[in-house]
Amino acid sequence: GAVVSQHPSRVICKSGTSVKIECRSLDFQATTMFWYRQFPKQSLMLMATSNEGSKATYEQGVEKDKFLINHASLTLSTLTVTSAHPEDSSFYICSAREPGRNAYEQYFGPGTRLTVT
Amino acid sequence: AQSVTQLGSHVSVSEGALVLLRCNYSSSVPPYLFWYVQYPNQGLQLLLKYTTGATLVKGINGFEAEFKKSETSFHLTKPSAHMSDAAEYFCAACMEYGNKLVFGAGTILRVKS
Repeated sequence: GAVVSQHPSRVICKSGTSVKIECRSLDFQATTMFWYRQFPKQSLMLMATSNEGSKATYEQGVEKDKFLINHASLTLSTLTVTSAHPEDSSFYICSAREPGRNAYEQYFGPGTRLTVT
Repeated sequence: AQSVTQLGSHVSVSEGALVLLRCNYSSSVPPYLFWYVQYPNQGLQLLLKYTTGATLVKGINGFEAEFKKSETSFHLTKPSAHMSDAAEYFCAACMEYGNKLVFGAGTILRVKS
């Protein structure tokens, strides 16, 4: 149980285009999902927290107009990188949290490698 | 500010040797603690977690960790390293129930044959 998927696993796009990454909880309902960014040889940096049906909460320094997050259902959150540039190239990982007694635990997706050319 | 510190960005051990990866946290109350493993270009896999109860926690792949409140530590150990253990390991803490995770910087484990 507690499986989280991400799609696509890899994406290459041209500078100036937008890219959407999907994060799905496959066997549970996730009221809260998190989006992380990981640069090479670095730790995970939390970008934003999204709660189903409400606006995402962005961490300091993360441009909300650049990284659009939508959590429209209890099993799906999307991250859209708008007008992508080479500096947006990174590994993006989502996680999901199940409400209830396991609310302290996050289940991670396999990640999406974004390359902007 | 609450934080997680992993001592040693790189650890190298011989196959069959003891693995010890260090993690200390900074929090006014005991947090929930986690160890994750990440292989190249993959997401995070949970190795083990401490919430309450027994302070020695056993996880997958022969790993275990001990929560020591007096030392604010949660070090990860494995008695005998295997080549397949080579990966990056992250310690993380959830300082409040339902709150976000705080990650350490990660430790890359290298296993020599």
